[in-house]
Amino acid sequence: EADIYQTPRYLVIGTGKKITLECSQTMGHDKMYWYQQDPGMELHLIHYSYGVNSTEKGDLSSESTVSRIRTEHFPLTLESARPSHTSQYLCASSPRWTETQYFGPGTRLLVL
Amino acid sequence: TQLLEQSPQFLSIQEGENLTVYCNSSSVFSSLQWYRQEPGEGPVLLVTVVTGGEVKKLKRLTFQFGDARKDSSLHITAAQPGDTGLYLCAGAQAAGNKLTFGGGTRVLVKP
Repeated sequence: EADIYQTPRYLVIGTGKKITLECSQTMGHDKMYWYQQDPGMELHLIHYSYGVNSTEKGDLSSESTVSRIRTEHFPLTLESARPSHTSQYLCASSPRWTETQYFGPGTRLLVL
Repeated sequence: TQLLEQSPQFLSIQEGENLTVYCNSSSVFSSLQWYRQEPGEGPVLLVTVVTGGEVKKLKRLTFQFGDARKDSSLHITAAQPGDTGLYLCAGAQAAGNKLTFGGGTRVLVKP
Protein backbone atom coordinates (compact mmCIF):
# COMPACT_ATOMS: atom_id res chain seq x y z
CA GLU A 1 0.00 0.00 0.00
CA ALA A 2 1.53 3.29 -1.12
CA ASP A 3 1.60 6.20 1.32
CA ILE A 4 0.72 9.09 -0.93
CA TYR A 5 -2.02 11.53 -0.06
CA GLN A 6 -3.94 14.18 -1.90
CA THR A 7 -6.18 16.88 -0.51
CA PRO A 8 -8.82 17.89 -1.08
CA ARG A 9 -10.45 14.86 -2.70
CA TYR A 10 -13.18 17.02 -4.22
CA LEU A 11 -13.29 20.76 -4.86
CA VAL A 12 -15.98 22.95 -6.37
CA ILE A 13 -14.84 26.51 -6.92
CA GLY A 14 -15.80 29.61 -8.85
CA THR A 15 -13.99 31.04 -11.85
CA GLY A 16 -11.05 33.28 -11.02
CA LYS A 17 -10.24 31.76 -7.65
CA LYS A 18 -6.72 30.71 -6.71
CA ILE A 19 -6.42 27.10 -5.62
CA THR A 20 -3.68 24.80 -4.38
CA LEU A 21 -3.93 21.05 -4.62
CA GLU A 22 -1.83 19.27 -2.03
CA CYS A 23 0.19 16.09 -2.52
CA SER A 24 2.34 14.43 0.12
CA GLN A 25 4.20 11.14 0.25
CA THR A 26 5.90 9.50 3.21
CA MET A 27 8.05 7.04 1.25
CA GLY A 28 11.02 9.34 0.71
CA HIS A 29 10.65 9.13 -3.06
CA ASP A 30 12.78 11.51 -5.07
CA LYS A 31 10.51 11.70 -8.09
CA MET A 32 7.01 13.16 -8.08
CA TYR A 33 4.48 13.81 -10.83
CA TRP A 34 1.19 15.57 -11.54
CA TYR A 35 -1.21 14.22 -14.14
CA GLN A 36 -4.49 15.56 -15.47
CA GLN A 37 -7.14 13.01 -16.38
CA ASP A 38 -10.70 13.38 -17.61
CA PRO A 39 -12.95 10.55 -16.30
CA GLY A 40 -12.05 7.21 -17.84
CA MET A 41 -9.58 8.79 -20.21
CA GLU A 42 -5.81 8.84 -20.60
CA LEU A 43 -3.38 10.48 -18.20
CA HIS A 44 -1.59 13.64 -19.30
CA LEU A 45 1.64 14.56 -17.53
CA ILE A 46 1.59 18.27 -16.59
CA HIS A 47 4.52 18.60 -14.14
CA TYR A 48 7.24 16.49 -12.64
CA SER A 49 10.12 16.78 -10.22
CA TYR A 50 13.22 14.67 -9.75
CA GLY A 51 14.09 16.15 -6.38
CA VAL A 52 14.03 19.19 -4.13
CA ASN A 53 14.15 22.49 -6.04
CA SER A 54 13.76 20.63 -9.34
CA THR A 55 10.56 21.04 -11.38
CA GLU A 56 9.83 20.49 -15.06
CA LYS A 57 6.81 20.98 -17.29
CA GLY A 58 5.25 17.84 -18.66
CA ASP A 59 3.91 16.87 -22.05
CA LEU A 60 0.59 18.72 -21.69
CA SER A 61 0.70 22.48 -21.48
CA SER A 62 -0.84 23.67 -18.25
CA GLU A 63 -1.50 27.03 -16.63
CA SER A 64 -0.69 25.55 -13.25
CA THR A 65 2.58 25.85 -11.34
CA VAL A 66 4.32 23.55 -8.87
CA SER A 67 6.99 23.76 -6.21
CA ARG A 68 9.24 21.20 -4.52
CA ILE A 69 10.67 22.71 -1.37
CA ARG A 70 10.56 19.47 0.59
CA THR A 71 11.00 15.91 -0.64
CA GLU A 72 7.64 14.78 0.64
CA HIS A 73 5.54 17.67 -0.61
CA PHE A 74 4.62 18.64 -4.21
CA PRO A 75 1.74 21.15 -4.32
CA LEU A 76 0.10 22.31 -7.54
CA THR A 77 -1.33 25.83 -7.80
CA LEU A 78 -3.79 27.42 -10.20
CA GLU A 79 -3.63 31.20 -9.90
CA SER A 80 -6.99 31.79 -11.57
CA ALA A 81 -9.25 28.80 -12.05
CA ARG A 82 -11.35 28.49 -15.20
CA PRO A 83 -14.05 25.99 -16.26
CA SER A 84 -11.52 24.44 -18.69
CA HIS A 85 -9.52 23.37 -15.61
CA THR A 86 -12.33 21.03 -14.55
CA SER A 87 -10.77 17.57 -14.40
CA GLN A 88 -9.23 15.00 -12.11
CA TYR A 89 -5.68 15.70 -10.93
CA LEU A 90 -3.52 12.74 -9.94
CA CYS A 91 -0.27 12.94 -8.04
CA ALA A 92 2.30 10.13 -8.15
CA SER A 93 5.73 9.42 -6.75
CA SER A 94 8.53 7.07 -7.67
CA PRO A 95 11.84 5.95 -6.12
CA ARG A 96 14.98 7.11 -7.86
CA TRP A 97 15.95 3.67 -9.19
CA THR A 98 12.68 2.60 -10.76
CA GLU A 99 9.96 3.76 -13.12
CA THR A 100 7.14 2.35 -11.00
CA GLN A 101 4.81 5.11 -9.94
CA TYR A 102 2.60 5.10 -6.87
CA PHE A 103 -0.53 7.18 -7.26
CA GLY A 104 -2.59 9.15 -4.84
CA PRO A 105 -6.40 8.93 -4.91
CA GLY A 106 -6.74 12.09 -6.96
CA THR A 107 -8.50 15.45 -6.59
CA ARG A 108 -11.63 15.99 -8.63
CA LEU A 109 -11.90 19.68 -9.47
CA LEU A 110 -15.03 21.41 -10.76
CA VAL A 111 -14.74 25.06 -11.74
CA LEU A 112 -18.05 26.82 -12.21
CA THR B 1 -0.44 10.42 -32.31
CA GLN B 2 0.15 8.58 -29.06
CA LEU B 3 3.45 6.86 -28.44
CA LEU B 4 1.56 3.94 -26.91
CA GLU B 5 -1.66 2.81 -28.56
CA GLN B 6 -4.06 0.65 -26.61
CA SER B 7 -6.81 -1.44 -28.13
CA PRO B 8 -9.64 -1.83 -27.81
CA GLN B 9 -10.67 1.42 -26.14
CA PHE B 10 -13.69 -0.23 -24.54
CA LEU B 11 -14.60 -3.85 -23.88
CA SER B 12 -17.83 -5.19 -22.43
CA ILE B 13 -18.04 -8.90 -21.67
CA GLN B 14 -20.00 -11.36 -19.56
CA GLU B 15 -18.60 -12.88 -16.41
CA GLY B 16 -16.60 -16.01 -17.21
CA GLU B 17 -15.43 -14.88 -20.65
CA ASN B 18 -11.81 -14.22 -21.56
CA LEU B 19 -10.42 -10.92 -22.81
CA THR B 20 -7.19 -9.52 -24.21
CA VAL B 21 -6.00 -5.92 -24.19
CA TYR B 22 -3.18 -4.78 -26.45
CA CYS B 23 -0.57 -2.07 -26.08
CA ASN B 24 1.47 -1.22 -29.18
CA SER B 25 4.20 1.19 -30.14
CA SER B 26 6.81 1.77 -32.82
CA SER B 27 9.30 2.66 -30.08
CA VAL B 28 11.37 0.36 -27.90
CA PHE B 29 10.83 0.50 -24.14
CA SER B 30 13.24 -0.53 -21.39
CA SER B 31 10.26 -1.59 -19.32
CA LEU B 32 6.52 -1.64 -19.59
CA GLN B 33 3.95 -1.56 -16.83
CA TRP B 34 0.26 -2.30 -16.54
CA TYR B 35 -1.97 -0.41 -14.12
CA ARG B 36 -5.64 -0.77 -13.22
CA GLN B 37 -7.69 2.20 -12.17
CA GLU B 38 -11.10 2.06 -10.56
CA PRO B 39 -13.51 5.01 -10.72
CA GLY B 40 -12.58 7.80 -8.35
CA GLU B 41 -9.18 6.32 -7.49
CA GLY B 42 -5.62 6.52 -8.75
CA PRO B 43 -4.06 3.78 -10.91
CA VAL B 44 -2.55 0.81 -9.10
CA LEU B 45 0.40 -1.12 -10.50
CA LEU B 46 -0.37 -4.68 -11.62
CA VAL B 47 2.94 -5.75 -13.15
CA THR B 48 6.23 -4.59 -14.66
CA VAL B 49 7.85 -6.44 -17.57
CA VAL B 50 11.44 -5.72 -18.56
CA THR B 51 12.70 -8.56 -20.77
CA GLY B 52 11.64 -9.10 -24.38
CA GLY B 53 9.39 -12.16 -24.62
CA GLU B 54 8.74 -12.14 -20.88
CA VAL B 55 5.46 -13.62 -19.64
CA LYS B 56 4.16 -12.92 -16.15
CA LYS B 57 1.10 -14.39 -14.50
CA LEU B 58 -0.88 -12.81 -11.71
CA LYS B 59 -3.71 -15.21 -10.79
CA ARG B 60 -6.08 -15.00 -13.79
CA LEU B 61 -4.09 -12.23 -15.48
CA THR B 62 -1.29 -13.02 -17.97
CA PHE B 63 1.04 -10.29 -19.20
CA GLN B 64 3.37 -10.60 -22.15
CA PHE B 65 6.13 -8.28 -23.36
CA GLY B 66 6.90 -8.48 -27.07
CA ASP B 67 10.24 -9.89 -28.20
CA ALA B 68 11.26 -6.49 -29.58
CA ARG B 69 10.03 -4.68 -26.44
CA LYS B 70 7.65 -2.54 -28.50
CA ASP B 71 4.35 -4.09 -27.49
CA SER B 72 2.56 -5.90 -24.70
CA SER B 73 -0.68 -7.70 -24.01
CA LEU B 74 -2.82 -8.38 -20.99
CA HIS B 75 -5.04 -11.47 -21.02
CA ILE B 76 -7.69 -12.11 -18.39
CA THR B 77 -9.10 -15.61 -18.06
CA ALA B 78 -12.63 -16.15 -16.77
CA ALA B 79 -13.23 -12.49 -16.08
CA GLN B 80 -15.12 -11.46 -12.97
CA PRO B 81 -17.06 -8.26 -12.19
CA GLY B 82 -14.19 -7.27 -9.89
CA ASP B 83 -11.96 -7.02 -12.99
CA THR B 84 -13.98 -4.01 -14.17
CA GLY B 85 -11.85 -0.91 -14.49
CA LEU B 86 -9.59 1.17 -16.70
CA TYR B 87 -6.45 -0.72 -17.73
CA LEU B 88 -3.46 1.46 -18.59
CA CYS B 89 -0.15 0.43 -20.07
CA ALA B 90 2.86 2.66 -19.50
CA GLY B 91 6.38 2.49 -20.87
CA ALA B 92 9.75 3.92 -19.91
CA GLN B 93 12.23 4.48 -22.72
CA ALA B 94 15.18 4.34 -20.36
CA ALA B 95 15.66 3.10 -16.83
CA GLY B 96 14.50 5.66 -14.29
CA ASN B 97 12.76 7.82 -16.90
CA LYS B 98 9.25 9.17 -16.64
CA LEU B 99 6.48 6.99 -18.01
CA THR B 100 4.45 7.42 -21.17
CA PHE B 101 0.90 6.19 -20.69
CA GLY B 102 -1.37 4.62 -23.27
CA GLY B 103 -4.88 5.89 -23.78
CA GLY B 104 -6.40 3.15 -21.61
CA THR B 105 -8.90 0.36 -22.14
CA ARG B 106 -12.15 0.48 -20.23
CA VAL B 107 -13.25 -3.04 -19.27
CA LEU B 108 -16.75 -3.81 -18.07
CA VAL B 109 -17.47 -7.33 -16.83
CA LYS B 110 -21.18 -7.91 -16.43
CA PRO B 111 -22.45 -10.49 -13.93
